Amino acid sequence: GDSVTQMEGPVTLSEEACLTINCTYTATGYPSLFWYVQYPGEGLQLLLKATKADDKGSNKGFEATYRKETTSFHLEKGSVQVSDSAVYFCASFTGNQFYFGTGTSLTVIP
Amino acid sequence: DADVTQTPRNRITKTGKRIMLECSQTKGHDRMYWYRQDPGLGLRLIYYSFDVKDINKGEISDGYSVSRQAQAKFSLSLESAIPNQTALYFCATSLSSGNTIYFGEGSWLTVV
Repeated sequence: GDSVTQMEGPVTLSEEACLTINCTYTATGYPSLFWYVQYPGEGLQLLLKATKADDKGSNKGFEATYRKETTSFHLEKGSVQVSDSAVYFCASFTGNQFYFGTGTSLTVIP
Repeated sequence: DADVTQTPRNRITKTGKRIMLECSQTKGHDRMYWYRQDPGLGLRLIYYSFDVKDINKGEISDGYSVSRQAQAKFSLSLESAIPNQTALYFCATSLSSGNTIYFGEGSWLTVV
């Protein structure tokens, strides 16, 4: 069945370091792909999305490219800030269903 | 004001008690969901409703029930709470014609 697998955490980075959180998907069709972010004490917020192959989603300095050939949607940011500390969820939507990864906790230290 | 509102935001209840979590939305979405979040397990779907007359079980529906009182309201009940139902619960909504899901701020439930 359809599923999303993302990198295990937790991840700890120093401020201004580069971030990559890996995400791969399995799908019977052509899913839309998402990254959601959950800040401490809050609900999940949509960070970015891509709806077809080779699309790049971007927001707040984060970006991810929909790679059909590798079934991946890795989240990247060139220079993280303390305020980026949160849990990040990769997700897909296909066949009227949403599928979520288990989340990756990111802590950025000054 | 939040588009997806959950009440209560925090609740401590005793084993065996009935508890209801309520969700209301102003987004005009026809689909609503209840998820549970546990550390290391991510989000797990409890129930979902594609419209007022269409309610479906998710992957972990045992011990839970739901009611879709109106398009904008979807409540989750624990008929007899047990400690392993201690978790963070999220309500979410989406459009049948859309592909994005929107979450409430969550309800922390502790069963002692």
